[in-house]
Amino acid sequence: QSVLTQPPSASGTPGQRVTISCSGSGSNIGSNYVYWYHHLPGTAPKLLIYRNNRRPSGVPDRFSGSKSGTSASLAISGLRSEDEADYYCAAWDDSLSGWVFGGGTKLTVL
Amino acid sequence: QVQLQESGPGLVKPSQTLSLTCTVSGGSISSPDYYWSWIRHHPGKGLEWVGYIYYSGSTFYNPSLKSRVTISLGTSKKQFSLNLRSVTAADTAVYYCARGEYDNGMDVWGQGTTVTVSS
Repeated sequence: QSVLTQPPSASGTPGQRVTISCSGSGSNIGSNYVYWYHHLPGTAPKLLIYRNNRRPSGVPDRFSGSKSGTSASLAISGLRSEDEADYYCAAWDDSLSGWVFGGGTKLTVL
Repeated sequence: QVQLQESGPGLVKPSQTLSLTCTVSGGSISSPDYYWSWIRHHPGKGLEWVGYIYYSGSTFYNPSLKSRVTISLGTSKKQFSLNLRSVTAADTAVYYCARGEYDNGMDVWGQGTTVTVSS
């Protein structure tokens, strides 16, 4: 049972826009930044979004993040087949004094 | 460009200690700008943060693992290690090491190493 809650799956067709949600509480998302990671099992996870909505260099602007209260979301526009992967949200939790992750959302490009 | 590489046994017997090392190339773990983490991925499940260590040696651990985990700096400035004691099958996972920067997330990850706990 993950501290942050994500839908287990999401899907879209090429060119579409999809959104993945992440729900937490006041001790994590409500009071700290949210981060998003892209992960293909068997490979190194990749930082996609930091500080709620900033993109590291090299991450396309098709990826965007937002946060409101104790929830956050990742939006991917202009969906491509290579976007198929698992996506995880993460935040620091003040009560646990540690990083917490969502359970991950498997994105399928139909 | 900083790169991280995990190493260690791929098979550990139940009740024994899992020991992994992360080797940092292209940088040093003695920089005060970064922290050095271990994260694991159970088959079919999500990512789980194990803990991290600062250049000073101070550590933060996942409360659910705290009684069994030790993360330490290597004698060189290029390695840090994970020890997880009294392992069970539930500790079977892919273990990743990663570099984190204050408020900027964990931006550099190793490729991961698979550890299976089995007799």
